[in-house]
Amino acid sequence: AQSVTQLDSQVPVFEEAPVELRCNYSSSVSVYLFWYVQYPNQGLQLLLKYLSGSTLVKGINGFEAEFNKSQTSFHLRKPSVHISDTAEYFCAVSPQNRGGSNYKLTFGKGTLLTVNP
Amino acid sequence: DAMVIQNPRYQVTQFGKPVTLSCSQTLNHNVMYWYQQKSSQAPKLLFHYYDKDFNNEADTPDNFQSRRPNTSFCFLDIRSPGLGDAAMYLCATADRAGQYFGPGTRLTVT
Repeated sequence: AQSVTQLDSQVPVFEEAPVELRCNYSSSVSVYLFWYVQYPNQGLQLLLKYLSGSTLVKGINGFEAEFNKSQTSFHLRKPSVHISDTAEYFCAVSPQNRGGSNYKLTFGKGTLLTVNP
Repeated sequence: DAMVIQNPRYQVTQFGKPVTLSCSQTLNHNVMYWYQQKSSQAPKLLFHYYDKDFNNEADTPDNFQSRRPNTSFCFLDIRSPGLGDAAMYLCATADRAGQYFGPGTRLTVT
């Protein structure tokens, strides 16, 4: 079984400041890792994912995340945020040895990023 | 563009009146999911399909049913909606690279 902890439920920042949203996970098997963004009254949009290879992953909208296996973390960062980045961000994991229908995601509880002018 | 489509985007139903939400996809994925998401919470998985093989989560209420007549379409039926069923309902498809979500249907129960 897997679990995901997003350490901050809310993160307020000022426009053009850097931001880091923290995510830690626990799993008895190797996992793939994802960050999704959700704007108000919208579905979830994939920001970035780690499947294999380089541990630094770049996504859309200038976001990046680094997979740290020893610390079981996958923190999301952006060097300079915009008002339009205000949204809910979800970290999620999925077991790597996936056969058949086992693409299930385990989500964290989400972090509300609020960017203020 | 390949995508996941949900209709309607907003649905209002009366307490106890059956309602059906629909989802279609052009990604040709075998796997489809239905989630319920309440305010300020993570999505909660209700069911998933691998092709026509249906998998119900253990804690999904009997009030919720689903149908998948073909690869492209999937329906969520709520037989007798209660006030506690008001939520955003999300449909998603999946492949080995991840899950792909539709825009959601916001259900209001009056």
